[in-house]
Amino acid sequence: DAGVIQSPRHEVTEMGQEVTLRCKPISGHDYLFWYRQTMMRGLELLIYFNNNVPIDDSGMPEDRFSAKMPNASFSTLKIQPSEPRDSAVYFCASSLDRGRRNTIYFGEGSWLTVV
Amino acid sequence: DAKTTQPNSMESNEEEPVHLPCNHSTISGTDYIHWYRQLPSQGPEYVIHGLTSNVNNRMASLAIAEDRKSSTLILHRATLRDAAVYYCILSWGSGGGADGLTFGKGTHLIIQP
Repeated sequence: DAGVIQSPRHEVTEMGQEVTLRCKPISGHDYLFWYRQTMMRGLELLIYFNNNVPIDDSGMPEDRFSAKMPNASFSTLKIQPSEPRDSAVYFCASSLDRGRRNTIYFGEGSWLTVV
Repeated sequence: DAKTTQPNSMESNEEEPVHLPCNHSTISGTDYIHWYRQLPSQGPEYVIHGLTSNVNNRMASLAIAEDRKSSTLILHRATLRDAAVYYCILSWGSGGGADGLTFGKGTHLIIQP
């Protein structure tokens, strides 16, 4: 089975531009998570969905960030406008539950550089 | 919030066992103990998890102290491919939300050939 699929793998964009990161979770998984990783802050949970519904977005840094899950097989994380401090690796992950009893599967990440 | 404490880094030799410690003195009775690892330039991957009893799988073993305030991930025979950052994580607590599955700094495991 295919794992969590993320696109793009790498993106370089100019400050002020809109960035859209995409994720296809593992089929059948009810939970989808967006994480961000930087050297300074490590891995941070930004938002997670259950059955396509956002459950907790308290980790989203500010209003410039938004995430959607229009259906069970697709999610987006959008940054508008982007800033250099948004440069990070963004991981999407999915799981059968909140990670308590079941494995959380991570994608390979989207490496974002904002110049 | 229940938190974990791990050494920043550890070094071991190839083909030797590795014991990675984790302290979680504020663990609640219903928290599972999870271990994930992150290889260079990859997303984290699941290693093992347990609640009270020791656990074994093809990747590693998890030894959980009787009082559950600490645990040890055991790699029985380290290879160069095991060089990674290892995260010890407690499962979603009753509060859920952004604190649920929190990754700390982890232990950077270095394997010497």
